[in-house]
Amino acid sequence: QQQVKQSPQSLIVQKGGISIINCAYENTAFDYFPWYQQFPGKGPALLIAIRPDVSEKKEGRFTISFNKSAKQFSLHIMDSQPGDSATYFCAASRRQLTFGSGTQLTVLP
Amino acid sequence: SAVISQKPSRDICQRGTSLTIQCQVDSQVTMMFWYRQQPGQSLTLIATANQGSEATYESGFVIDKFPISRPNLTFSTLTVSNMSPEDSSIYLCSVAGLLAGVTGELFFGEGSRLTVL
Repeated sequence: QQQVKQSPQSLIVQKGGISIINCAYENTAFDYFPWYQQFPGKGPALLIAIRPDVSEKKEGRFTISFNKSAKQFSLHIMDSQPGDSATYFCAASRRQLTFGSGTQLTVLP
Repeated sequence: SAVISQKPSRDICQRGTSLTIQCQVDSQVTMMFWYRQQPGQSLTLIATANQGSEATYESGFVIDKFPISRPNLTFSTLTVSNMSPEDSSIYLCSVAGLLAGVTGELFFGEGSRLTVL
């Protein structure tokens, strides 16, 4: 049973636009929600993370919005750039990390 | 952060053979993990490599197929045994970050891409 559902599977955005990736989880025991960014041929790298006692966290152009009651969280990339083109994975953790299925983001120049 | 080196970065293997992947970390780490990422897919945890004791395997993964060694706090190996084309994947070594009590902050190696013919 998939515990973290991620959408969309792929996303194409124009340069300067906003990229939004959504995730939903089932296990209310999760206590840490990271996002990972993976470029082709590389391992995933931690991008930004949030704890469930916070509704929003912003780091530069990247923002996580967290809705505890709905058990949903999302990644917003403002002013998307071609260099942001990568696969993004949401994840949730409670002693062990569970990954979403991934979103392949393409930012067109 | 930790710097993680994996060898080999890629290999093409014949069915029925075994391959050992090495993972070297530039600092001592308590928790080390092995993940599998099938082409275009998400990451699946194979096992936790425990220093000085047997690895802890996730459901669907067994020691006979994926033996793991962890002789010290900076090194681990994963062997993929008796390979079949279904084992063609990227195998990733990862270590936990230093945030106390946080098990979701992981650092990954660049992966070992295996193709089994």
